[in-house]
Amino acid sequence: AQSVTQPDIHITVSEGASLELRCNYSYGATPYLFWYVQSPGQGLQLLLKYFSGDTLVQGIKGFEAEFKRSQSSFNLRKPSVHWSDAAEYFCAVGPNQGGKLIFGQGTELSVKP
Amino acid sequence: GAVVSQHPSRVICKSGTSVKIECRSLDFQATTMFWYRQFPKQSLMLMATSNEGSKATYEQGVEKDKFLINHASLTLSTLTVTSAHPEDSSFYICSGAGPSSTDTQYFGPGTRLTVL
Repeated sequence: AQSVTQPDIHITVSEGASLELRCNYSYGATPYLFWYVQSPGQGLQLLLKYFSGDTLVQGIKGFEAEFKRSQSSFNLRKPSVHWSDAAEYFCAVGPNQGGKLIFGQGTELSVKP
Repeated sequence: GAVVSQHPSRVICKSGTSVKIECRSLDFQATTMFWYRQFPKQSLMLMATSNEGSKATYEQGVEKDKFLINHASLTLSTLTVTSAHPEDSSFYICSGAGPSSTDTQYFGPGTRLTVL
């Protein structure tokens, strides 16, 4: 079965601290992997994506993610979190860039001052 | 990136009425549009996929007669919730993608539907 799991429903970090959001996937074909961010009541903004090549991908807003095929993981990281990063983060998998996506449950990030 | 708009952003309606939500790609031709539904504090669940000029393909468990999708042009798709009930209250998000498999999918800002 195709699925995406984000084990952490809610994470709280202090401003300036590092962040890692976990994502594991199960997908039959070669996956396209995505991380999106959603602010309350808003749509989704693409942070980064991966299909092939360098397994460490850089995205917007200082985020990066590392693809580990052996672990079926695509964890999102940021070295220093800002208060404005507080939002909901979704990991997703799909067959290509424009195909239908399967989303994880989301991880809500809170940032302490 | 490309822009997808949705209208209205919020709508409140009475039970039994129908509501239409528009999704427009403003600066690209969206050959394919997707409609997602998101309940509070939950993930996005794909409802249906529509290709311009074709009938929409609905995901399992989604009532096609209740959620009518029309994709009449390359820049406009509509979702009509017919005979809406309180359990249809949700956040509806659309996205659009161009014809190539390498085209990125862009998401709209969402529409909050509340059925009283």
